[in-house]
Amino acid sequence: DTAVSQTPKYLVTQMGNDKSIKCEQNLGHDTMYWYKQDSKKFLKIMFSYNNKELIINETVPNRFSPKSPDKAHLNLHINSLELGDSAVYFCASSQVGGLGYTFGSGTRLTVV
Amino acid sequence: DQQVKQNSPSLSVQEGRISILNCDYTNSMFDYFLWYKKYPAEGPTFLISISSIKDKNEDGRFTVFLNKSAKHLSLHIVPSQPGDSAVYFCAASEGVGFQKLVFGTGTRLLVSP
Repeated sequence: DTAVSQTPKYLVTQMGNDKSIKCEQNLGHDTMYWYKQDSKKFLKIMFSYNNKELIINETVPNRFSPKSPDKAHLNLHINSLELGDSAVYFCASSQVGGLGYTFGSGTRLTVV
Repeated sequence: DQQVKQNSPSLSVQEGRISILNCDYTNSMFDYFLWYKKYPAEGPTFLISISSIKDKNEDGRFTVFLNKSAKHLSLHIVPSQPGDSAVYFCAASEGVGFQKLVFGTGTRLLVSP
């Protein structure tokens, strides 16, 4: 009954591979996000979707492609992985007028 | 260009004493501020928020103070407990739509018994 769940929790892959991270929320929220926490612990927004529509794209390389099949899901596909993509990726959701985001537990991506 | 800054990477406090975590911001358009708490291997969880129309908001042991003229906010935890040991993130947004939260880099709080 986890509110925001993301899979996998850990992902180790080689440079050049393509990988996906999945996120699902059961809170009925209408907005979902992907955030990246880099090695300096800086949490930075990547994308935001509202009711399946992309509303924020923060100058993320086009190797990163989010997909929202419905408002409860927001997946992140990454092509041609690079060493610098190693980070923890957090999915989150919110309802407009609500009290902040609800985050998933994160996916630690390591590119070797 | 970091719009939200937490200049203290870590803070150690004894159990029962007050913990004060600080946050500064540069964007004068920010009008909603939040604190999140994060344990290892978990996502951040919402703790407390404050709107720019207020200068103080209290929730149990947690109080957030906002000084708009100084573009500064602080989180006070009284009394501190060992279970409060975590990383605390300050975040800010323009408006209450929560379309985009801008986070600081966090302060690791250690409360020792």
